[in-house]
Amino acid sequence: AQKITQTQPGMFVQEKEAVTLDCTYDTSDQSYGLFWYKQPSSGEMIFLIYQGSYDEQNATEGRYSLNFQKARKSANLVISASQLGDSAMYFCAMSVLYNFNKFYFGSGTKLNVKP
Amino acid sequence: KAGVTQTPRYLIKTRGQQVTLSCSPISGHRSVSWYQQTPGQGLQFLFEYFSETQRNKGNFPGRFSGRQFSNSRSEMNVSTLELGDSALYLCASSLQGTSANEQFFGPGTRLTVL
Repeated sequence: AQKITQTQPGMFVQEKEAVTLDCTYDTSDQSYGLFWYKQPSSGEMIFLIYQGSYDEQNATEGRYSLNFQKARKSANLVISASQLGDSAMYFCAMSVLYNFNKFYFGSGTKLNVKP
Repeated sequence: KAGVTQTPRYLIKTRGQQVTLSCSPISGHRSVSWYQQTPGQGLQFLFEYFSETQRNKGNFPGRFSGRQFSNSRSEMNVSTLELGDSALYLCASSLQGTSANEQFFGPGTRLTVL
């Protein structure tokens, strides 16, 4: 079975500072993908970044980077230079080979960016 | 290119009624997945449809059903509504679903059961 754990229910960060959101996962599959989504109060899930299990380099997308440590089964999201618009819920998700469209989500982290 | 659309955006029903939610995927996308989001259970996978066939199913009772049409639009139906069915229902579409590309989510339908 697949499981995603996010241990930080809420976090505060000062504007312009960097913040790391934690995510650990559990799966016996060797081929899987890890995703981060942002969910503003409007409800829509916005894709941020993706990391494949065989990708050797950490994924980066603009101000977002994914710190992938396969041996530790962790996939932390790093947001650099936080902006007020980054305040939202953040979800870590995973899918596995042959079930790529069945996502397992963590419980989410509520990020608040302070001016 | 238009994104994933869901209708209606908000819905209020009473216990025992049934409800149908609609999802129109991004043009060209053939896979549609549905998720339920509640404060208590978080985001849970309901089912996935690909080319009008249910390809994957989560652990929900038979009251939850869905279908997909030839134009890839999908509907989900919940019969005999219960208070616990109050949730945000999200649908997501992807091109083929054969590689680990991201799914594109719609804005969701917020269902309230009274």
